Amino acid sequence: DTGVSQNPRHKITKRGQNVTFRCDPISEHNRLYWYRQTLGQGPEFLTYFQNEAQLEKSRLLSDRFSAERPKGSFSTLEIQRTEQGDSAMYLCASSFTGGGNTIYFGEGSWLTVV
Amino acid sequence: QKEVEQDPGPLSVPEGAIVSLNCTYSNSAFQYFMWYRQYSRKGPELLMYTYSSGNKEDGRFTAQVDKSSKYISLFIRDSQPSDSATYLCAMNYGGSQGNLIFGKGTKLSVKP
Repeated sequence: DTGVSQNPRHKITKRGQNVTFRCDPISEHNRLYWYRQTLGQGPEFLTYFQNEAQLEKSRLLSDRFSAERPKGSFSTLEIQRTEQGDSAMYLCASSFTGGGNTIYFGEGSWLTVV
Repeated sequence: QKEVEQDPGPLSVPEGAIVSLNCTYSNSAFQYFMWYRQYSRKGPELLMYTYSSGNKEDGRFTAQVDKSSKYISLFIRDSQPSDSATYLCAMNYGGSQGNLIFGKGTKLSVKP
């Protein structure tokens, strides 16, 4: 499978705990994106990387959220001190410059904060 | 006013019908327009991608962009029960701008 891979697919955590999601993009893609999607809404942009550089962050990315892409390959999204409002699907996507802005999504990581 | 408006439906049609899905947007700077299909509890799957105004056809799917009206459409011909999903429109400015702006999605059900 050469698509965008996300792990874990589902996570249930208690309020106040930290969680981390991992994304492996399509291998030749140098851009990597994180989005969040809640029920009945379209995905909302959180942040994006070109290679290892984090080029853009949304206002949705509060200081409890941190994303990294240390070697320009896989990425992690960490949420500290989770709140019930963090319950959502976290989507990773990737593309490559020169690919005409075609962005491909993974299957998502579902987070439930109880 | 949200940047991208999309009627959430639900939309129910009989098998074989032509389906029309639409989005309007407010920012004339958008240059790239996409349609994604999303099955329940799955990630969005890229269906169609269009740059600027015009039509693009791919099998049973046709995407239209009218930048003068800030209006985009997706048509599905000979709809099938397997087309039942949520359809999301998305757009961005292009260039170094990384993020997509999505509509809420329209939930489509095609009845056999």
